[in-house]
Amino acid sequence: SQQGEEDPQALSIQEGENATMNCSYKTSINNLQWYRQNSGRGLVHLILIRSNEREKHSGRLRVTLDTSKKSSSLLITASRAADTASYFCATDPSRNYKLTFGKGTLLTVNP
Amino acid sequence: DGGITQSPKYLFRKEGQNVTLSCEQNLNHDAMYWYRQDPGQGLRLIYYSQIVNDFQKGDIAEGYSVSREKKESFPLTVTSAQKNPTAFYLCASTPWGMDSLAKNIQYFGAGTRLSVL
Repeated sequence: SQQGEEDPQALSIQEGENATMNCSYKTSINNLQWYRQNSGRGLVHLILIRSNEREKHSGRLRVTLDTSKKSSSLLITASRAADTASYFCATDPSRNYKLTFGKGTLLTVNP
Repeated sequence: DGGITQSPKYLFRKEGQNVTLSCEQNLNHDAMYWYRQDPGQGLRLIYYSQIVNDFQKGDIAEGYSVSREKKESFPLTVTSAQKNPTAFYLCASTPWGMDSLAKNIQYFGAGTRLSVL
């Protein structure tokens, strides 16, 4: 079964708006990662947040982690058409560097 | 340029045929992984290798085989026993023997799309 589940499955916004996607997971974690996948391409690592961190920023990305609720959110501010992609959260529930990925959120940013 | 190279980009398999997908990396990473991605789905782990000449099964290893004779290379063979091989296959790698956080971050190739004729 999936460890991480992203929500919503799909999100469509206008350029300049903010995009928020969520990830819920089932077991305790050491850290949580977000990856991006452009259509037909490989995944690219965006950001990693440790279990003892509550918030982390990287450019226009803001990630939060709530370990009590077993959830994380990824916020992309001032979105651009180039942000159109699928976004996946990934965790290491077995703590052996084998990642488990969710099904992803498909973000479409309309120009 | 350092990175992970997967080839071919597109591959077609005939009934009863084995096909091999190539994955090469020049990042000097120790660990390598193979994933399968079906449309609208997440990634599912097929096999992984943390060191040369050693590899372990992932969640969906049936119908697949791998080898790890060189640090740089981790080819995946889709055998005739895999009855539903049509999917997008992704190879990834991570450094090993470094700090624990670095070992979590995976670097991906551009993928191979396999279809059945």
